[in-house]
Amino acid sequence: DAGVIQSPRHEVTEMGQEVTLRCKPISGHDYLFWYRQTMMRGLELLIYFNNNVPIDDSGMPEDRFSAKMPNASFSTLKIQPSEPRDSAVYFCASSPEGRREGYTFGSGTRLTVV
Amino acid sequence: GEDVEQSLFLSVREGDSSVINCTYTDSSSTYLYWYKQEPGAGLQLLTYIFSNMDMKQDQRLTVLLNKKDKHLSLRIADTQTGDSAIYFCAERVSGGYQKVTFGTGTKLQVIP
Repeated sequence: DAGVIQSPRHEVTEMGQEVTLRCKPISGHDYLFWYRQTMMRGLELLIYFNNNVPIDDSGMPEDRFSAKMPNASFSTLKIQPSEPRDSAVYFCASSPEGRREGYTFGSGTRLTVV
Repeated sequence: GEDVEQSLFLSVREGDSSVINCTYTDSSSTYLYWYKQEPGAGLQLLTYIFSNMDMKQDQRLTVLLNKKDKHLSLRIADTQTGDSAIYFCAERVSGGYQKVTFGTGTKLQVIP
């Protein structure tokens, strides 16, 4: 298995532009998570899905952030409009149903908003 | 509520043992995890321990759990320069979905 695949690896965009981050979870994993990592706040859970359904989006910072999972093999995190304070590394992770299984993380997308 | 705390930084000499500590607040934790993050990479699961265990050993890694004090530690024997990374402690509590709470991470620096 190729693991959790995220694209792009790096994204530089201007303030006000729309940004879309993509994630392909591991096949057969029922859970998908979006995290944001910054020096100031560490690792923050933004939203997670179970069987393509959003379960908890309480970590989504503002209405500018939205996430979708149209099928079991694809998810997007969209920021519109983007702001400099959104600059961070965004991670996608997936996990199977079993309780003892940890998460498998993607390599992340480093977003820079200028 | 769930809260996981770690010290931010640890520096050790190559060949010494490293001990990374973590405290958590939720007594209903079921599984506790240690993840490793190397520069420019995502988090990688190193090991986990079930809450009814006191210790788990896996090659150079030893995990100790003190459930009474809600304290978890990761010991790395014979620390190597390749062990330099950020180490995250995480807990999963019972009753919820697959939601895992991560600590702030401890940056381990190994001095040659």
